[in-house]
Amino acid sequence: SQQGEEDPQALSIQEGENATMNCSYKTSINNLQWYRQNSGRGLVHLILIRSNEREKHSGRLRVTLDTSKKSSSLLITASRAADTASYFCATDVVQGAQKLVFGQGTRLTINP
Amino acid sequence: EAGVAQSPRYKIIEKRQSVAFWCNPISGHATLYWYQQILGQGPKLLIQFQNNGVVDDSQLPKDRFSAERLKGVDSTLKIQPAKLEDSAVYLCASSLARYNEQFFGPGTRLTVL
Repeated sequence: SQQGEEDPQALSIQEGENATMNCSYKTSINNLQWYRQNSGRGLVHLILIRSNEREKHSGRLRVTLDTSKKSSSLLITASRAADTASYFCATDVVQGAQKLVFGQGTRLTINP
Repeated sequence: EAGVAQSPRYKIIEKRQSVAFWCNPISGHATLYWYQQILGQGPKLLIQFQNNGVVDDSQLPKDRFSAERLKGVDSTLKIQPAKLEDSAVYLCASSLARYNEQFFGPGTRLTVL
């Protein structure tokens, strides 16, 4: 079964608006990471948040983590056309060896 | 800093044929990963190396897939024989340590006809 599941599966907003994506997971984690994937630059790491952190910022990105609800959110403020991409959360799980498990992703489209 | 290199970028083969992918990680990165990404899905880990040792290959279909990391640097992933359902993008990634952020290569898009 999927460890991380993003919601919504697809999101379309106007340029300049904020975009929020959510990730839920099932088992305890040490950290949670967000990645972006577009056709031009492949899969790129955005931010890592540890289980003892509640919020983290990086430029226009804000990530929150609620370990009691086993959920995380990624907020992109003042969206730009270049933010159009798929966004994945990845959680580290221990199944034999520790590894990252990616969700199905949220497809974000920024309309000009 | 040079990124993760992969080749080829595209490959088209017929089912039952063999194929090999190559990956050169970022210099100094001890951990190397191979992922399979089917269209519309997130990447799925196939195998994880720490230096030249296998840490996790629990999701690698070992009857047809094999991978090695010679001298703890470059790695190759092989499929023999290929099936239609192997059509996917194969991503290589590396990280400085096992639980750090991962740096991904551009991927190899495999089409099995």
